[in-house]
Amino acid sequence: EDKVVQSPLSLVVHEGDTVTLNCSYEVTNFRSLLWYKQEKKAPTFLFMLTSSGIEKKSGRLSSILDKKELFSILNITATQTGDSAIYLCAVLRDDKIIFGKGTRLHILP
Amino acid sequence: NAGVTQTPKFRILKIGQSMTLQCTQDMNHNYMYWYRQDPGMGLKLIYYSVGAGITDKGEVPNGYNVSRSTTEDFPLRLELAAPSQTSVYFCASSHLDRQETQYFGPGTRLLVL
Repeated sequence: EDKVVQSPLSLVVHEGDTVTLNCSYEVTNFRSLLWYKQEKKAPTFLFMLTSSGIEKKSGRLSSILDKKELFSILNITATQTGDSAIYLCAVLRDDKIIFGKGTRLHILP
Repeated sequence: NAGVTQTPKFRILKIGQSMTLQCTQDMNHNYMYWYRQDPGMGLKLIYYSVGAGITDKGEVPNGYNVSRSTTEDFPLRLELAAPSQTSVYFCASSHLDRQETQYFGPGTRLLVL
């Protein structure tokens, strides 16, 4: 059975801290790993990772994939209160996307 | 472009009632999806469609039905509502060549009492 597991499920840090969110997967016919940010409503796309070892960056966010270990991390440096959200990891396979449960991140001012 | 629109935004149902959640996209996307998100949880795929006339089950299809008679519309039907179907429902669409970029609708919050 395909599964995407995220850890931790919940995280509370202070503004300025650096956080690392984890995502492991066991999915047949893997195509890509995706990260989404979900604030109050629908998820918004952050990154797509297809190849191992190539870091994707967008401002203070970065992510990398390890296809041998079936693992990805999402790093957020110098966190701000606006980073508070649920971060969803998902795997694209065939014609559908399988989501993890998400990590709920709360940044304290 | 309106993107992906969903109606209604919020609905309360009694156990055993039926309803249809509407989803429409105006981006000519081939792929459309229905997800449910329970409190504190990630998204679970209910049904998806790769084009008009084609639908497939996702992780949690029981208690739901879909149809895709046009490219634009992908309604989700609940026949006999149960409290376990209390959730937020998201419709999404994506282009054939850019499946990773899913465009989500604003969601429908459903409460079954």
